[in-house]
Amino acid sequence: KAGVTQTPRYLIKTRGQQVTLSCSPISGHRSVSWYQQTPGQGLQFLFEYFSETQRNKGNFPGRFSGRQFSNSRSEMNVSTLELGDSALYLCASSLMVQNTEAFFGQGTRLTVV
Amino acid sequence: AQTVTQSQPEMSVQEAETVTLSCTYDTSESNYYLFWYKQPPSRQMILVIRQEAYKQQNATENRFSVNFQKAAKSFSLKISDSQLGDTAMYFCAFMKLLGNEKLTFGTGTRLTIIP
Repeated sequence: KAGVTQTPRYLIKTRGQQVTLSCSPISGHRSVSWYQQTPGQGLQFLFEYFSETQRNKGNFPGRFSGRQFSNSRSEMNVSTLELGDSALYLCASSLMVQNTEAFFGQGTRLTVV
Repeated sequence: AQTVTQSQPEMSVQEAETVTLSCTYDTSESNYYLFWYKQPPSRQMILVIRQEAYKQQNATENRFSVNFQKAAKSFSLKISDSQLGDTAMYFCAFMKLLGNEKLTFGTGTRLTIIP
């Protein structure tokens, strides 16, 4: 069974640009969560999707958005990139909503210059 | 809001020895889960062990065990017979049982196993 796949693995963008990151969950998993990991702030929850609906959102500005498709794949978008958005973005998938057994992808390393 | 505190930024131990990583948390919830995740250099977060707060028995997974003290809000991880592959960042995490399913992470402990 394939694990959680995040693409791309690495990304370099310029301030002001926008970026879209992709996450393909484990087959059959319907819940996808996103986390931002930085040296200064640690791991912070961005949002969670289940059956194409955003169920929970962390304390991030509106520049951060996401969506989930009918096949459970999820994308997150960051508009008007700032230097502080440089981070490792991790996606986690789980079978159901109560993700007590969340499986993480290897993340997308975003660098904003 | 929940908070998770890991007071040991870095630790190192000789291979085959036992090491204990500390974690404390603060919550007003009575039903929740606690986790230890491992993040090796590959960056992928891997679930090491999980504890349901309503279970008094401490969880164990092979060489990994926890000491869960609910009243003290303490959740430490013990790694026995440590191996080189245990070298990684270890994160303690909290999740409410119902409603808000997000994981709240601690700041992590960088563990190095010395050959």
